Amino acid sequence: GENVEQHPSTLSVQEGDSAVIKCTYSDSASNYFPWYKQELGKRPQLIIDIRSNVGEKKDQRIAVTLNKTAKHFSLHITETQPEDSAVYFCAAWTEDLTFGKGTMLLVSP
Amino acid sequence: NAGVTQTPKFQVLKTGQSMTLQCAQDMNHNSMYWYRQDPGMGLRLIYYSASEGTTDKGEVPNGYNVSRLNKREFSLRLESAAPSQTSVYFCASSEAQGDYGYTFGSGTRLTVV
Repeated sequence: GENVEQHPSTLSVQEGDSAVIKCTYSDSASNYFPWYKQELGKRPQLIIDIRSNVGEKKDQRIAVTLNKTAKHFSLHITETQPEDSAVYFCAAWTEDLTFGKGTMLLVSP
Repeated sequence: NAGVTQTPKFQVLKTGQSMTLQCAQDMNHNSMYWYRQDPGMGLRLIYYSASEGTTDKGEVPNGYNVSRLNKREFSLRLESAAPSQTSVYFCASSEAQGDYGYTFGSGTRLTVV
């Protein structure tokens, strides 16, 4: 089955800095890569996704890039704010959605 | 629109007891899923239902059973709870299998003592 590795497991940044979270996947048949944000005690919520026919997608301060050849994709958050503090999960879809183990992002004021 | 509703929010069971976690969605989604979330393990798929009338095992199905009661409802049953099943359980739904985002319920925190 699919295996998704996510790094780093924790990330601390100062407010206004950029944050980058990276994921690799194992199954070259994967064709859909969503990112979820989970605030403490809350449900995961979809924040952005990318399909395998696209290399980059942006939505305001967040962007995702995909390198199919290397089988990795990344989440970029610019101008981070304290409310960006949360656990972020990447995922890859083949026959079902496989999640990475998550990255705890802490944005300090 | 309530989205995905899970009940109960919290539950404590004794080892060997049984219980059913309920999940309902009002978005007319075809596919529904049950995940468990454990510290440092991410979200792991227990069972899913690609469409009404079908269910399939995920990564960690042992000790669980599911029922897709109708298009809206997908329940998860623990027949004989074990401490290893202490976890947060999330139900999710999507329009269909494939490149569709999932909508998650608010979760059930289950403790088995």
